[in-house]
Amino acid sequence: GNSVTQMEGPVTLSEEAFLTINCTYTATGYPSLFWYVQYPGEGLQLLLKATKADDKGSNKGFEATYRKETTSFHLEKGSVQVSDSAVYFCALSGRPSQGGSEKLVFGKGMKLTVNP
Amino acid sequence: GAVVSQHPSWVICKSGTSVKIECRSLDFQATTMFWYRQFPKQSLMLMATSNEGSKATYEQGVEKDKFLINHASLTLSTLTVTSAHPEDSSFYICSARDLLTGDTEAFFGQGTRLTVV
Repeated sequence: GNSVTQMEGPVTLSEEAFLTINCTYTATGYPSLFWYVQYPGEGLQLLLKATKADDKGSNKGFEATYRKETTSFHLEKGSVQVSDSAVYFCALSGRPSQGGSEKLVFGKGMKLTVNP
Repeated sequence: GAVVSQHPSWVICKSGTSVKIECRSLDFQATTMFWYRQFPKQSLMLMATSNEGSKATYEQGVEKDKFLINHASLTLSTLTVTSAHPEDSSFYICSARDLLTGDTEAFFGQGTRLTVV
């Protein structure tokens, strides 16, 4: 079945540090890939997504590229801010037209704390 | 982006009582809604998938008689925790997708913190 493996942390960084959160996946066909962010006490928000190989998703300075050859979707940001402190989830969704499931499969999440 | 509203955001109930949580899509029709439970240390567990007008599909290990899900309209799904016990205390999150449009994005509610005392 589909699965997502991501760095679990927790991770603490100083403001303006470089961030990488690794994410790899196993899936049937060509899934869509997502990064969601959860701020304290809130639900999940979509941060970025990519729906096909070599697509790059980007938002709020974060980027991730859909790498089919390495089955990866690593999240990066060049300079983190205190406001980026949150839990980050990598996720995938299959395509029913390709025999996949539309259910979102999540990684375990990684808590990021950014200190001033 | 689309908005999913979940209510209440928190609830405290006595052991043995039932609690209903609502999930509404405010500006789109949600053909499919998903209910998750979030455990300590973040991990999200999919509880069930509900499609409008049909019975929910529960994940293995989730008691359908304890967690009643109703998706009576294209904008509303409800999760009722029946005869709640302290071990049901958790953070419950719904998400909604409009699969008819072919969009792969899921929109999440803000979550409900349930505490059973």
